[in-house]
Amino acid sequence: DARVTQTPRHKVTEMGQEVTMRCQPILGHNTVFWYRQTMMQGLELLAYFRNRAPLDDSGMPKDRFSAEMPDATLATLKIQPSEPRDSAVYFCASGLAATGSYNEQFFGPGTRLTVL
Amino acid sequence: QQQVKQSPQSLIVQKGGISIINCAYENTAFDYFPWYQQFPGKGPALLIAIRPDVSEKKEGRFTISFNKSAKQFSLHIMDSQPGDSATYFCAASRGSTLGRLYFGRGTQLTVWP
Repeated sequence: DARVTQTPRHKVTEMGQEVTMRCQPILGHNTVFWYRQTMMQGLELLAYFRNRAPLDDSGMPKDRFSAEMPDATLATLKIQPSEPRDSAVYFCASGLAATGSYNEQFFGPGTRLTVL
Repeated sequence: QQQVKQSPQSLIVQKGGISIINCAYENTAFDYFPWYQQFPGKGPALLIAIRPDVSEKKEGRFTISFNKSAKQFSLHIMDSQPGDSATYFCAASRGSTLGRLYFGRGTQLTVWP
């Protein structure tokens, strides 16, 4: 049963601490997305990668957020230093971009981050 | 600027009734319009999707109606069931390139037994 996995599922940390969230996309998918969900802003894109190269990270606060794909099976989202306003659920999604077809994004279960 | 506008914010329907959620978009470059269903504590899951070359798509009790000229699309849930109680998001993207999804703000649907 292919699915996107995310760790940790829950994270509580104090303001100023570094937070790293990890995502394992579905094997064979070449596109990975990071979304953030809050009550105020809804679901918003932070960044996404294709074939491990960043395509768009305009939704990410550059001074404290960074996203990488060290290899095809791992995507990371890091916040340093974290702030209370970063409290949200962070979703990773993956999909296969293939010429001539419309492709679904599969979402992971999310990481619920609370910054005190 | 919200690329996709969704209404209503919340919806209460009796079991067996029809639930209707509406969305509107501005960018005519969008060519893929999915609806996602999200249960508490879970990630969004694709429910049904449509491309602009058709005006309607039906899968079981779920139907998308698409009006290209009005730049609107809607989700109809027939014979609504308590198990349908969830948050529904419409979205739009350049699906042909697996681009980013632009989400509506969501509709919290409650189906009373």
